[in-house]
Amino acid sequence: SQQGEEDPQALSIQEGENATMNCSYKTSINNLQWYRQNSGRGLVHLILIRSNEREKHSGRLRVTLDTSKKSSSLLITASRAADTASYFCATDLYGYALNFGKGTSLLVTP
Amino acid sequence: DTAVSQTPKYLVTQMGNDKSIKCEQNLGHDTMYWYKQDSKKFLKIMFSYNNKELIINETVPNRFSPKSPDKAHLNLHINSLELGDSAVYFCASSQIGTAGYTFGSGTRLTVV
Repeated sequence: SQQGEEDPQALSIQEGENATMNCSYKTSINNLQWYRQNSGRGLVHLILIRSNEREKHSGRLRVTLDTSKKSSSLLITASRAADTASYFCATDLYGYALNFGKGTSLLVTP
Repeated sequence: DTAVSQTPKYLVTQMGNDKSIKCEQNLGHDTMYWYKQDSKKFLKIMFSYNNKELIINETVPNRFSPKSPDKAHLNLHINSLELGDSAVYFCASSQIGTAGYTFGSGTRLTVV
């Protein structure tokens, strides 16, 4: 069954603004990962946060994890047109596969 | 120096045909996967192989048969293709205990 659910489904912002996407999941996890998918391309791993971590940064990305609420958020600061893509959260499934959410489509306009 | 390469990139075929998609990774990862992405971009795990051994088979019809000749290759053979098989199929690999999966660029399968 599907584990992650992203919110919102679609987000449209202007360059320079921050973009926040949320993810909720249902069961215990070892880690939660975020991926980006540009149109017509494969997924690219952005960041992994372990269940004992609360926040993690990578460049303009900031991920938070609240295991008590079974939720995570991805913040992209100072968005650029090149950030236009779909963003997926994913959680471990049996330890041998990731279970992906439905994704958030982000559109950044100049 | 593509890390995970899958071929072909596009595949258009008629219902009832049999087709294969090939995947190779040069990352030395011990686990490989096949994912199916539908028209709504939902990604669903199909198979997971660890060191050539099948670990996960997520209620995939037995018309789909993965084959892993070695841990660097995971091919997907599909028999008797149906319209509902139309989707983008992604191969991926990972090393258990390290961060992130590496995905191939996908194979867009269209069954007509």
